Amino acid sequence: AQSVTQPDIHITVSEGASLELRCNYSYGATPYLFWYVQSPGQGLQLLLKYFSGDTLVQGIKGFEAEFKRSQSSFNLRKPSVHWSDAAEYFCAVGVSNAGNMLTFGGGTRLMVKP
Amino acid sequence: KAGVTQTPRYLIKTRGQQVTLSCSPISGHRSVSWYQQTPGQGLQFLFEYFSETQRNKGNFPGRFSGRQFSNSRSEMNVSTLELGDSALYLCASSRAAQGETQYFGPGTRLLVL
Repeated sequence: AQSVTQPDIHITVSEGASLELRCNYSYGATPYLFWYVQSPGQGLQLLLKYFSGDTLVQGIKGFEAEFKRSQSSFNLRKPSVHWSDAAEYFCAVGVSNAGNMLTFGGGTRLMVKP
Repeated sequence: KAGVTQTPRYLIKTRGQQVTLSCSPISGHRSVSWYQQTPGQGLQFLFEYFSETQRNKGNFPGRFSGRQFSNSRSEMNVSTLELGDSALYLCASSRAAQGETQYFGPGTRLLVL
């Protein structure tokens, strides 16, 4: 079975600083990869996704992520964080023989210092 | 296009009762999945329906069940509620049978007393 690890439970960055959130997955083949963001009391909003092709994907709100097959990673980055980016971020994996089922990482809570 | 809607948004029940949650997918979406989110276990997959058929099921007891109607709307039911069923229940929809982006609703927050 596939698994997803987000090693950082909490991250605090200063507004304007760069951000990288880590995500590692375990799966034999190339999975479908997603990053979602959740604000308190809300559902999940899709930031970006990787299905195939270019390993650097661009998302909404200035986020990007890079798929590295050799490292089984799909890290999320943003060059300059805004206070409104404070939220919880989830990495998720889907696989080709399991319908649309997603396996989620434990999440990383991002706090932004003014 | 309207997003995924879930009703009710908040619910309080007592142990032993049962509850039914509803999800209306994005228009044209035929796949509906349900997830449970708790502080301790995180986001866990419950089940997925596509064209009224359950396609996948997560590792939850039989007290958790669901169904999908011909208009793709879905309901999930939890019988004999336990305190540990308190959670945010999220519904997600996607267009196709697999490999598609899932779009999430705002969730139903269930509190079991």
